[in-house]
Amino acid sequence: SQQGEEDPQALSIQEGENATMNCSYKTSINNLQWYRQNSGRGLVHLILIRSNEREKHSGRLRVTLDTSKKSSSLLITASRAADTASYFCATQAGTALIFGKGTTLSVSS
Amino acid sequence: GAVVSQHPSWVICKSGTSVKIECRSLDFQATTMFWYRQFPKQSLMLMATSNEGSKATYEQGVEKDKFLINHASLTLSTLTVTSAHPEDSSFYICSANRGGTGGYEQYFGPGTRLTVT
Repeated sequence: SQQGEEDPQALSIQEGENATMNCSYKTSINNLQWYRQNSGRGLVHLILIRSNEREKHSGRLRVTLDTSKKSSSLLITASRAADTASYFCATQAGTALIFGKGTTLSVSS
Repeated sequence: GAVVSQHPSWVICKSGTSVKIECRSLDFQATTMFWYRQFPKQSLMLMATSNEGSKATYEQGVEKDKFLINHASLTLSTLTVTSAHPEDSSFYICSANRGGTGGYEQYFGPGTRLTVT
């Protein structure tokens, strides 16, 4: 089953610009996580935000969570070509993670 | 710490044969392991949840007789794709939940790319 819907599906920006990706979900959650996946590779865990948190930062990443709107956003500041990847949000209510459809980010130099 | 490995990283098999994929937690005990499937340019779809020593719980639409999951120890889970068909070609990813962490963080393996010819 799939819970999250990412928006946009694809995003192309220049190096140095900021990238914002949004995720919406449908049911109650314990936490929401963001992952990155380079083409054909495994997942890299980026950040976890709990349902009682509203904002979290990690380096160039900023994640917000609005449980009333059932939505989250991931902001990557000062993007680099190495940030080119697919980004997925995943919600967790029990033990399993349910992934969104993902946003493909392309950063050109 | 918290490394998960998968073997093999890629496999090509003929239609009708069976393929076994291993998922190991290398430096921790995994009370729960998860299997996901990812088709090209799509997201990860949860296939099943397996707990050590008990039968796996399959998601709706996943054939349990086709995708056999065994979680015989706290560090190993296997997924066997039986009588594989070309439509089973996909990227299979496992993850492991470290026991005692309250279920918050999963550690993902690098994935196994299966191609059925």
